[in-house]
Amino acid sequence: DAKTTQPNSMESNEEEPVHLPCNHSTISGTDYIHWYRQLPSQGPEYVIHGLTSNVNNRMASLAIAEDRKSSTLILHRATLRDAAVYYCILRDQAGTALIFGKGTTLSVSS
Amino acid sequence: ETGVTQSPTHLIKTRGQQVTLRCSSQSGHNTVSWYQQALGQGPQFIFQYYREEENGRGNFPPRFSGLQFPNYSSELNVNALELDDSALYLCASSLQRDRITDTQYFGPGTRLTVL
Repeated sequence: DAKTTQPNSMESNEEEPVHLPCNHSTISGTDYIHWYRQLPSQGPEYVIHGLTSNVNNRMASLAIAEDRKSSTLILHRATLRDAAVYYCILRDQAGTALIFGKGTTLSVSS
Repeated sequence: ETGVTQSPTHLIKTRGQQVTLRCSSQSGHNTVSWYQQALGQGPQFIFQYYREEENGRGNFPPRFSGLQFPNYSSELNVNALELDDSALYLCASSLQRDRITDTQYFGPGTRLTVL
């Protein structure tokens, strides 16, 4: 399975944009990039996914590099509720499992 | 729409015992996946059930087993508990229309402590 690399932690201030990077240099042509986040004491929740083009939804934007070896999750205006562990995930070839790494712990200060 | 629920919330067992964890899928979902999350780590895939059949398995020994019922609820059974089995066990349900893009919806988890 292709792997992802993320910084262990990042800090942000409330109402500022946050850019969470992810490297996936061994990504295959058919792997989708998924982002999930896990708020304290909760199960992970879906944030966004994409293949090649940049994607936007109500929660975030996903910017994918042209060579697809990296991507960035963008939270346009961080809130205290966005403090969580963010996981960048490549779906496995069978498409069955989500392969989680350690993720990036995002802290948001008021 | 009811989300994914899990029971019990917390559980304490002793080494060598057996445990059953339960999961109720989100309405309309036909697929359930189980994950183990050790403290400070990301969730690790245990197995997935699709329409009552095991559909994929991670690197877990056979003493981890599961069931999916006709109403798509699910059980995770762990025999001969070991101290390292102490973890948060997460259940996730999905509607398997497209494996590579379908969203998995997670429950809050069951915290298992093995003494």
